Amino acid sequence: AQKITQTQPGMFVQEKEAVTLDCTYDTSDPSYGLFWYKQPSSGEMIFLIYQGSYDQQNATEGRYSLNFQKARKSANLVISASQLGDSAMYFCAMRGGSGSARQLTFGSGTQLTVLP
Amino acid sequence: ETGVTQTPRHLVMGMTNKKSLKCEQHLGHNAMYWYKQSAKKPLELMFVYSLEERVENNSVPSRFSPECPNSSHLFLHLHTLQPEDSALYLCASSQEDSGGGRRYEETQYFGPGTRLLVL
Repeated sequence: AQKITQTQPGMFVQEKEAVTLDCTYDTSDPSYGLFWYKQPSSGEMIFLIYQGSYDQQNATEGRYSLNFQKARKSANLVISASQLGDSAMYFCAMRGGSGSARQLTFGSGTQLTVLP
Repeated sequence: ETGVTQTPRHLVMGMTNKKSLKCEQHLGHNAMYWYKQSAKKPLELMFVYSLEERVENNSVPSRFSPECPNSSHLFLHLHTLQPEDSALYLCASSQEDSGGGRRYEETQYFGPGTRLLVL
């Protein structure tokens, strides 16, 4: 079975500062993908960034980067230069390489608030 | 239209009503999904269609009935729902690799969701 843990129910960050959202995972699959999604209050789940289990380098997408530490089973999202529009719920998710490979397993999310 | 669209965005229905949720993807993908997001619970996968064939049904009650007439459209037919079925229903799509060997790399793209309230 796969499990995603997000231990920060809420986070605050000052505008223009960087923030790290924590995510740890558990799986027995040797191959897996890790995803981060952003969900504003409107409800849409917006894909941000992907990291594969075999990727040697940390993924980056604009202001988003993923701090992937495979031995520790962590995949933290780093948002640099926070903007007011970054205020939203952030979900870490995993997709395994076997069994229920079509299923995205989501964490419980972190509510990020960017302060002006 | 771009991405994944869902209609209606909001729906209020009584327990005896019959309604349908519609999802359309404009990404050329071959797989579509229904997820349920209840308050204070992680997203739950309900159904998966790959190449218009239902490939997963995660113990969903029969009062939810999916339909996938083609690779671009997905419906969720609702009948005799319960108040606990009130939730945000999200549709997603992805491009599946035919071999299935690297499915863990496939990104799912979501629509804006339908907020359902059952009275």
